[in-house]
Amino acid sequence: GENVEQHPSTLSVQEGDSAVIKCTYSDSASNYFPWYKQELGKGPQLIIDIRSNVGEKKDQRIAVTLNKTAKHFSLHITETQPEDSAVYFCAASTEYGNKLVFGAGTILRVKS
Amino acid sequence: DVKVTQSSRYLVKRTGEKVFLECVQDMDHENMFWYRQDPGLGLRLIYFSYDVKMKEKGDIPEGYSVSREKKERFSLILESASTNQTSMYLCASNGQGRGEAFFGQGTRLTVV
Repeated sequence: GENVEQHPSTLSVQEGDSAVIKCTYSDSASNYFPWYKQELGKGPQLIIDIRSNVGEKKDQRIAVTLNKTAKHFSLHITETQPEDSAVYFCAASTEYGNKLVFGAGTILRVKS
Repeated sequence: DVKVTQSSRYLVKRTGEKVFLECVQDMDHENMFWYRQDPGLGLRLIYFSYDVKMKEKGDIPEGYSVSREKKERFSLILESASTNQTSMYLCASNGQGRGEAFFGQGTRLTVV
C-alpha cells in the first residue's frame, strides 16, 4: 500500500522567512495530494491540494509543487507569520481522496 | 457551515470497557473515516466506510470495529479497551472522489 514520508518533523523559522516541508510517496498511482494544517485543540483543516495533472499550485502565501517522476511534493509558505505556527500534514491518495494516507506531520514554529 | 461533530472531546475509560465514539456529518458525504493520531506517527487509518452498512479495514483495525447504520453517522467501537488505545481519535468525511476531507475536532481517549 501507499507510504508517505514527511520531513522535517520540526521546523523553526523567523517571522517573514519562508518555510518548506517535503513529502515523498511510494505508490505511482497516487493522484491527489492535499496538505492539512492542525492548530492546537482542533482537527486538521485543508489548506491546499494538488492533483497529479498539475505541477504547481499557489494560493496567496502558500504553494505546493509536485514532481511525479521523483514521487515527491512540497509545501512552501512565504512571509511566515506567527499564526502559521501549527502542525502540518501531507497526504496522498490513489482515488482523489477516497482514502488518504498521511505523513507523520511537521511542527512549524514561527518566531516573532 | 459544514460540520463533522464528534460526540466527546475527552473520555476516560477503564481497561476492558466497551467504548463507543460517535461521529456525525451534515454534508451528505458518502465517505467517512476514523483515524488515530499519535505523536510522530501522523494520522493512521483505522476503518473507513463509503456507503451505509459498508466498511473497509484501514491500516490498524485490530481491536476496533465500526458501524454505519445511517449515512450521516459513523461509530467507532473499542470492543475491550486497552491502555495502548489511549490516543487522539479523529473522524473525517468527504464526498466520493471529491478530495477535501473534513475533520471533526477529535476525541482524546485515555484508558486507565
